Amino acid sequence: DAGVIQSPRHEVTEMGQEVTLRCKPISGHDYLFWYRQTMMRGLELLIYFNNNVPIDDSGMPEDRFSAKMPNASFSTLKIQPSEPRDSAVYFCASRLEGGGGSPLHFGNGTRLTVT
Amino acid sequence: LAKTTQPISMDSYEGQEVNITCSHNNIATNDYITWYQQFPSQGPRFIIQGYKTKVTNEVASLFIPADRKSSTLSLPRVSLSDTAVYYCLVGDGGYQKVTFGTGTKLQVIP
Repeated sequence: DAGVIQSPRHEVTEMGQEVTLRCKPISGHDYLFWYRQTMMRGLELLIYFNNNVPIDDSGMPEDRFSAKMPNASFSTLKIQPSEPRDSAVYFCASRLEGGGGSPLHFGNGTRLTVT
Repeated sequence: LAKTTQPISMDSYEGQEVNITCSHNNIATNDYITWYQQFPSQGPRFIIQGYKTKVTNEVASLFIPADRKSSTLSLPRVSLSDTAVYYCLVGDGGYQKVTFGTGTKLQVIP
């Protein structure tokens, strides 16, 4: 199993530009999560999907952030326009089922730098 | 969602056993206790999970007292490669909003 795959690994962009982060979850996993990690705020849950449907996006910081999951094997997180305070590591994670006994599997993240 | 409290940092010498305790006073009946490990530039990685008593795998042991208001992750004979941040999570018992706390930064010293 290849695990959760994220791309790109690093992204450097200028303020105001659109940024798209990509994630391929583990095959067969029903849930997909997007997290953001910064030194100040730690790991924050942004949004999660169940069977490709967004369930809770209350962690999305602003309307500049949007996420989609067009099919079971692909999800995107888009920031438009990007701002320097969006600089962080963005993680995608998936899990097999919704119960507490199913652990999260994380990708290696995308390090975003907005200048 | 149950909130967790764990030490911010710990130091240990190589070869020693390390115990990291997590408090979760408001744990719900159907909540699991899960520990993750995170190395720099990587996503968190699942280590161990339990509901009550003791769980052991090839990496660690997890001790959970009868009242389940705390748990202790035990790492036997740590090596330099165990230097990482360790997160204790409680939940989700049907919820999906798994919340990570600040974690414990373990530094293993040669």
